[in-house]
Amino acid sequence: AQSVAQPEDQVNVAEGNPLTVKCTYSVSGNPYLFWYVQYPNRGLQFLLKYITGDNLVKGSYGFEAEFNKSQTSFHLKKPSALVSDSALYFCAVRPASGGSYIPTFGRGTSLIVHP
Amino acid sequence: GAGVSQSPSNKVTEKGKDVELRCDPISGHTALYWYRQRLGQGLEFLIYFQGNSAPDKSGLPSDRFSAERTGESVSTLTIQRTQQEDSAVYLCASSSFRVDYGYTFGSGTRLTVV
Repeated sequence: AQSVAQPEDQVNVAEGNPLTVKCTYSVSGNPYLFWYVQYPNRGLQFLLKYITGDNLVKGSYGFEAEFNKSQTSFHLKKPSALVSDSALYFCAVRPASGGSYIPTFGRGTSLIVHP
Repeated sequence: GAGVSQSPSNKVTEKGKDVELRCDPISGHTALYWYRQRLGQGLEFLIYFQGNSAPDKSGLPSDRFSAERTGESVSTLTIQRTQQEDSAVYLCASSSFRVDYGYTFGSGTRLTVV
């Protein structure tokens, strides 16, 4: 069975500082990996994905994520945090082939950026 | 349409009543997913539709929950005899079969059972 772990319920960072939101996964074979952001009372918005190719993936709003196959991780990063980045962030995984086409989401990490 | 549309956006119902939640996916998206998000929780998978194949119902929590989708169009999630623990945000997502563009979510239906 596939699974996603987001070990931190909450991440606090000062505006202007770099941020990292951690994600590790378990899946049979190669993964498709995704990051989504959820603002209050809104649905999930797509940030970025890893399908194949470069391990460093660049996405919306200056976010990027690094796929590390040996560590089964896909941490979300941003060089300089903004107060407006404060939101709930979800990591998701599904197998690239075979298995279930249904993405499994982590529990979410609340990012709080302090002015 | 341009995005995934869900209706109603909010629904308050009395315990024991039936409710229907609607999802209108992006045109051409063959896959449709329903998730449940309880307050402060992650996303709980409910059901998955892919084209005309039999749906994957493995996430439905009880036989009070059912969903339909005709072809690649609108889906309806029905909850019968609602209970207070059904209170949650119900999210719908759609994707193309290749999923290269990820999953597009609707804004959700917030269901409150009183």
